[in-house]
Amino acid sequence: EVQLVESGGGLIQPGGSLRLSCAASGFTVSNNYMSWVRQAPGKGLEWVSLIYSGGSTYYADSVKGRFTISRDNSKNTLYLQMNSLRAEDTAVYYCARNLPVTPLGYWGQGTLVTVSS
Amino acid sequence: IVMTQTPLSSPVTLGQPASISCRSSQSLVHSDGNTYLSWLHQRPGQPPRLLIYQISNRFSGVPDRFSGSGAGTDFTLKISRVEAEDVGVYYCMQTTQSWTFGQGTKVEIK
Repeated sequence: EVQLVESGGGLIQPGGSLRLSCAASGFTVSNNYMSWVRQAPGKGLEWVSLIYSGGSTYYADSVKGRFTISRDNSKNTLYLQMNSLRAEDTAVYYCARNLPVTPLGYWGQGTLVTVSS
Repeated sequence: IVMTQTPLSSPVTLGQPASISCRSSQSLVHSDGNTYLSWLHQRPGQPPRLLIYQISNRFSGVPDRFSGSGAGTDFTLKISRVEAEDVGVYYCMQTTQSWTFGQGTKVEIK
């Protein structure tokens, strides 16, 4: 069974850093392309970042240069390193597994990041 | 690419059909010939789930009362007979050029 479990969220001051983790089971992270999607409170979905099986990474303009997506193959875990956090980064962050023709087919339950002083 | 959904809110009657439209600011036909337009559904307090991919293909486990259609820049999600579990917010999403979502359509029971 495919499972994705996010962790690492919390309250952080503006300008701070946080690393989110997404532990996967039931499949191999490095053989799939994986995404992070976020949802601000009461708002819609926003794609954040993507990593392909070959290692290529992509980012939304709103986080480019501040966020870094990566994975640890030995731990079968996806990460999102978030630096220079802003109030507008406050959101639930979801990780998702993509299949070749089915983006965002499997989702975790999300982890809440609150950026506030 | 900007994705625009209509309506933003849709009161529906149980057992009746419902329809949501999604328009993209430019064609979603990829250079490989495919159109990467998906639909997702999010119930309150839950993560979204994929319903439809590449315009009209139902994802695993999705009931056949959900169907997708369209081409180019105009797409539609239809629910043939709305059930109580279908309430929530529906999003269209394109992955042809970067990834963008529509603003969401809230479906609620009258």
